[in-house]
Amino acid sequence: KAGVTQTPRYLIKTRGQQVTLSCSPISGHRSVSWYQQTPGQGLQFLFEYFSETQRNKGNFPGRFSGRQFSNSRSEMNVSTLELGDSALYLCASSLEAGGSYEQYFGPGTRLTVT
Amino acid sequence: KQEVTQIPAALSVPEGENLVLNCSFTDSAIYNLQWFRQDPGKGLTSLLLIQSSQREQTSGRLNASLDKSSGRSTLYIAASQPGDSATYLCAVILRGNQFYFGTGTSLTVIP
Repeated sequence: KAGVTQTPRYLIKTRGQQVTLSCSPISGHRSVSWYQQTPGQGLQFLFEYFSETQRNKGNFPGRFSGRQFSNSRSEMNVSTLELGDSALYLCASSLEAGGSYEQYFGPGTRLTVT
Repeated sequence: KQEVTQIPAALSVPEGENLVLNCSFTDSAIYNLQWFRQDPGKGLTSLLLIQSSQREQTSGRLNASLDKSSGRSTLYIAASQPGDSATYLCAVILRGNQFYFGTGTSLTVIP
């Protein structure tokens, strides 16, 4: 069974640009969550999608958004990039939402904003 | 707001030693708790998931316990090996699948 895949793996953008990251969950998983990991703040929850609906959102500005498609694939978008958005963005999938199921993480997308 | 702390931040042990990693959280109203490992530059690998009704889970050389009333979880690693070297993260899970991660413990097992 293929794991969670994220594309692209590495990305370099300049301030003010926007970026879209993609996540394909494990086949059969319907919940996808996104996280931001930085050395200073650690791992922080961005949002979770289940059945194409955003179920939870972390404490991030509106520049961070996401969506989920009918095949459970998810994208997250960051508009008007700032230097502080440089981070490893991780996507995780689980069978269902609700916290009773293990989350499986992808390898991440390393975003560098210059 | 839920805060999750892991102590120690870094640990170095000789191969073969048994060790304990600690995770504490401020709000005991958690749903579940999950332990992960992260290798440098990579994503997270799930190790153990402890549901709120359970007190511990075991997988191979790993054993994780959960005490919700005291806000603590421990991960016990038996007979450590160099391949265990990684950063270990605990995450508390609230109802609604919101995860709060600890700051991590960086483990180095010396051959």
